[in-house]
Amino acid sequence: DVKVTQSSRYLVKRTGEKVFLECVQDMDHENMFWYRQDPGLGLRLIYFSYDVKMKEKGDIPEGYSVSREKKERFSLILESASTNQTSMYLCASSSAGTATYEQYFGPGTRLTVT
Amino acid sequence: SQQGEEDPQALSIQEGENATMNCSYKTSINNLQWYRQNSGRGLVHLILIRSNEREKHSGRLRVTLDTSKKSSSLLITASRAADTASYFCATDHSSASKIIFGSGTRLSIRP
Repeated sequence: DVKVTQSSRYLVKRTGEKVFLECVQDMDHENMFWYRQDPGLGLRLIYFSYDVKMKEKGDIPEGYSVSREKKERFSLILESASTNQTSMYLCASSSAGTATYEQYFGPGTRLTVT
Repeated sequence: SQQGEEDPQALSIQEGENATMNCSYKTSINNLQWYRQNSGRGLVHLILIRSNEREKHSGRLRVTLDTSKKSSSLLITASRAADTASYFCATDHSSASKIIFGSGTRLSIRP
């Protein structure tokens, strides 16, 4: 069974803290994605990666960075958390070997910044 | 850069009835996918329809695609309580691997 896991389901951090969200997939997928989901706004792409050490900005990269040192792991970093980064964060992966780009999602991390 | 827009935003129906959700998009696509999200969870892929297909079925799901109108619909027949979820369309517009999600339809099934 394919699996995408995220390090935490719920996280509470203080303003100004550095926050790491980890995502691991076991499907040997080339592509990995980080989204944030807010009510009424759907999913917005923060960053994505096509390969190890590769990264591309999505639609809302400001205030975030990413790291992909290994194929199975994609980390999202909030350098200095702010209250407007309170959100649900979803990680996904997909195979570059198909033309359909079906994405497999993790369960999400609900981050609250106080 | 949202492309898919779902309609309605929310839908409440009686168990056993059919549910229809619509998705419209702005620019040409390679394919369109539908995903389901149960409350507070990740998204699960339901079905994909390619730009050269007009209709596709999977169990109680029926998806149609009208590229001339840039729209798609998802029909869930004989709804069940377990179908209560948010449903998102996602469009693939280029050779890149990323897809663009709409804002979703919240479906509630009343017992």
